[in-house]
Amino acid sequence: DADVTQTPRNRITKTGKRIMLECSQTKGHDRMYWYRQDPGLGLRLIYYSFDVKDINKGEISDGYSVSRQAQAKFSLSLESAIPNQTALYFCATSDPQPSSNEQFFGPGTRLTVL
Amino acid sequence: SQKIEQNSEALNIQEGKTATLTCNYTNYSPAYLQWYRQDPGRGPVFLLLIRENEKEKRKERLKVTFDTTLKQSLFHITASQPADSATYLCALGRDSWGKLQFGAGTQVVVTP
Repeated sequence: DADVTQTPRNRITKTGKRIMLECSQTKGHDRMYWYRQDPGLGLRLIYYSFDVKDINKGEISDGYSVSRQAQAKFSLSLESAIPNQTALYFCATSDPQPSSNEQFFGPGTRLTVL
Repeated sequence: SQKIEQNSEALNIQEGKTATLTCNYTNYSPAYLQWYRQDPGRGPVFLLLIRENEKEKRKERLKVTFDTTLKQSLFHITASQPADSATYLCALGRDSWGKLQFGAGTQVVVTP
């Protein structure tokens, strides 16, 4: 897990605030992902990036935006936070080789929107 | 719509017994299926991958089966230990681009 780091680990904010969650990796992987995890719903994909110039929407991108500043950095922004964005957020990376498509997850950011 | 179902009830099991978890899916044709372990307050950790043309995979005390006709995967932990207590997630993928669909996970509690 130390290869994928996320900051902050915990954040409490108010409705309407802009929030940025940051992810850094030292694995040298091109592919990076942002997920949110809610009880009973599992991990859902928000955005993914296959290289610095490639950004794609996932299953639940509304209300979120991302920035891939470098191969190692992928940030998630909530433009105007709302309470139903309270969740656990995970960043992940993967390498197309080997073909196991194993994803490596960071420790998560617990976000609470009041 | 695509649906992945894992038992939402925790599986309580005695040390030394075999824990068996299920992952069922509908409206989906995965090329492969993965299992992850997640401990409280931590990110998921990859355990095993099984492809659509494979029936069974083993890794140490773990065994995974994949039945594309039944649209089901079974995950077995043999000779379970208290250290195996965690939540186990299944994830389905169609291609090598890395997009996965995750189940909600099943918590396993192994008591001495």
